[in-house]
Amino acid sequence: SYELTQPPSVSVSPGQTARITCSGDALPKKFAYWYQQKSGQAPVMVIYEDSKRPSGIPERFSGSSSGTMATLTISGAQVEDEADYYCLSADSTGNQGVFGGGTKVTVL
Amino acid sequence: QVQLVQSGAEVKKPGASVRVSCKASGYTFTNFDVNWVRQAPGQGLEWMGWMDPNSGIPGYAHKFQGRFTITINTSISTAYMDLSSLTSEDTAVYFCARGVAGTTELDVWGKGTTVTVSS
Repeated sequence: SYELTQPPSVSVSPGQTARITCSGDALPKKFAYWYQQKSGQAPVMVIYEDSKRPSGIPERFSGSSSGTMATLTISGAQVEDEADYYCLSADSTGNQGVFGGGTKVTVL
Repeated sequence: QVQLVQSGAEVKKPGASVRVSCKASGYTFTNFDVNWVRQAPGQGLEWMGWMDPNSGIPGYAHKFQGRFTITINTSISTAYMDLSSLTSEDTAVYFCARGVAGTTELDVWGKGTTVTVSS
């Protein structure tokens, strides 16, 4: 079955840049979506269609995709950005959604 | 405002079935897909399936085919997920989420429903 691979954890100092990668064979043809989940809460979409930012999401969140890898970048990370981040995409058929394993971002 | 309100927590015995509901408000229900996602304790998000309310055609993750069913009642803007033959591994928080048609863009989420499977 199709898989998306993310690093388990990323640590960054406040004000620095955090980059979270998501790799998958179908990403050249399928959009990646990024979700932030804080403890005990429902996920929130922070990036859609590889690089678009929903209204209300701070500008420090950006996304990109090249080849088989999508990247979520948090420029100038804040303490409140500490959360788990998940990429989501579809397999090559477009019929199956798949989440990456998630990346825990620590800002300290 | 746009929201998805899910039914309350459930406790089930192994082998039983569970139904979770998800009532939408604040938007035209048939203009968006309904997705179901679950999260076991301390684990990541797992996509389970979706349904287009217009066609009523579902799509299920391979892992859940055969014991997972999504149904929709468009007259009351409510989606349901049924999961049968429960085991302890089905203990999780189950989320419904609004999906932009035909994509994995899940822009609005319910708060989640905890399902506990225990003897």
